[in-house]
Amino acid sequence: EAAVTQSPRNKVTVTGGNVTLSCRQTNSHNYMYWYRQDTGHGLRLIHYSYGAGNLQIGDVPDGYKATRTTQEDFFLLLELASPSQTSLYFCASSRQFLSYEQYFGPGTRLTVL
Amino acid sequence: TQTVSQSDAHVTVFEGDSVELRCNYSYGGSIYLSWYIQHHGHGLQFLLKYYSGNPVVQGVNGFEAEFSKSDSSFHLRKASVHWSDSAVYFCAVSHNTNTGKLTFGDGTVLTVKP
Repeated sequence: EAAVTQSPRNKVTVTGGNVTLSCRQTNSHNYMYWYRQDTGHGLRLIHYSYGAGNLQIGDVPDGYKATRTTQEDFFLLLELASPSQTSLYFCASSRQFLSYEQYFGPGTRLTVL
Repeated sequence: TQTVSQSDAHVTVFEGDSVELRCNYSYGGSIYLSWYIQHHGHGLQFLLKYYSGNPVVQGVNGFEAEFSKSDSSFHLRKASVHWSDSAVYFCAVSHNTNTGKLTFGDGTVLTVKP
């Protein structure tokens, strides 16, 4: 019944590898977000989207692409992964005018060797 | 540029104690302030928010927060903590809910000892 799901939950890849992180929400929310969480940095916004086909650049976008294929699905792509992208990644969703109240997925732990 | 500062990286209290987790922000315009909780191994969960009106806002599980414009603060409080309140707490600021962008503080780890 979880409203925001992420897959995979854990991923290990090598430097230069290609990784896709998936997020699906069943909240019927327009807005979706990708964050990374690192010790000492809190959460930092990578990319976000206002709806299917829309993409907005966040605060730390370098090395990441994203694509919103439907209202429910938002993907984060790392085409040439680097060790600096080892992190815990969270997806979230919110309603358009209530974006201070975001609903988070359980996270994906990515390790780049 | 808006910033959020949580001055205490770690707070440890005993069950039944009261606790205050501090949050200060810097932004000149109208803002939305919110608190989130993150239990170990889970994503963040929304606790409460403030935009205008009564500066004391109530959240779930007995949490409340008080806004102070003069101090640029939005501190989170609980009168009597339970061991299950052990978690990381994040303060967040948004100046425009239409953009969807939140700026998070670095978080405070609350440990509640039995």
